[in-house]
Amino acid sequence: KQEVTQIPAALSVPEGENLVLNCSFTDSAIYNLQWFRQDPGKGLTSLLLIQSSQREQTSGRLNASLDKSSGRSTLYIAASQPGDSATYLCAVSLVNNAGNMLTFGGGTRLMVKP
Amino acid sequence: SQTIHQWPATLVQPVGSPLSLECTVEGTSNPNLYWYRQAAGRGLQLLFYSVGIGQISSEVPQNLSASRPQDRQFILSSKKLLLSDSGFYLCAWRGLGGRARNEQFFGPGTRLTVL
Repeated sequence: KQEVTQIPAALSVPEGENLVLNCSFTDSAIYNLQWFRQDPGKGLTSLLLIQSSQREQTSGRLNASLDKSSGRSTLYIAASQPGDSATYLCAVSLVNNAGNMLTFGGGTRLMVKP
Repeated sequence: SQTIHQWPATLVQPVGSPLSLECTVEGTSNPNLYWYRQAAGRGLQLLFYSVGIGQISSEVPQNLSASRPQDRQFILSSKKLLLSDSGFYLCAWRGLGGRARNEQFFGPGTRLTVL
């Protein structure tokens, strides 16, 4: 059974700092990995999708990397801003998965202080 | 562009009452659809998914059920709610083709409180 872990569970940083969020998964036979952002009381916003054949994806100040063999992904946020404060979730789908179901990590709650 | 709607946004129901949550998707056809629940202090749990009309797969045993009466409509139901059914219910769909291939997109969610 796929298990996804995110470390740290919570993180508080001053504005402007670069930061890294970590995600690890136990089964390396993944189809893809997705990073989401969730604001309090809201749905999930997809940030980046990395296919299993890719090593990284970039969108603006966000960069996500994938090391499938070691079962790890990182989300790098450059020059953090107070508006980046949210919970960040990673999720993976397995190769032999007819419904492309996602298994989620517990999330990292990020607070960026002005 | 594709849009996903959920209603109601919030709901307060007594224990033992029925439930019906609705999710609709616009701008795509034959999507995979999903129901997740996010309970307080817990992660996201997949409840049901559907790959087509009338095709429902359940991931966890519980007193909830799902139906897909139309291609872009997904309904979550219960005949009798339990206190443990309280949570944030999220509907999602899977994109097909191009850059969005296999990417999941989520709706705004329904906050359910069972008293």
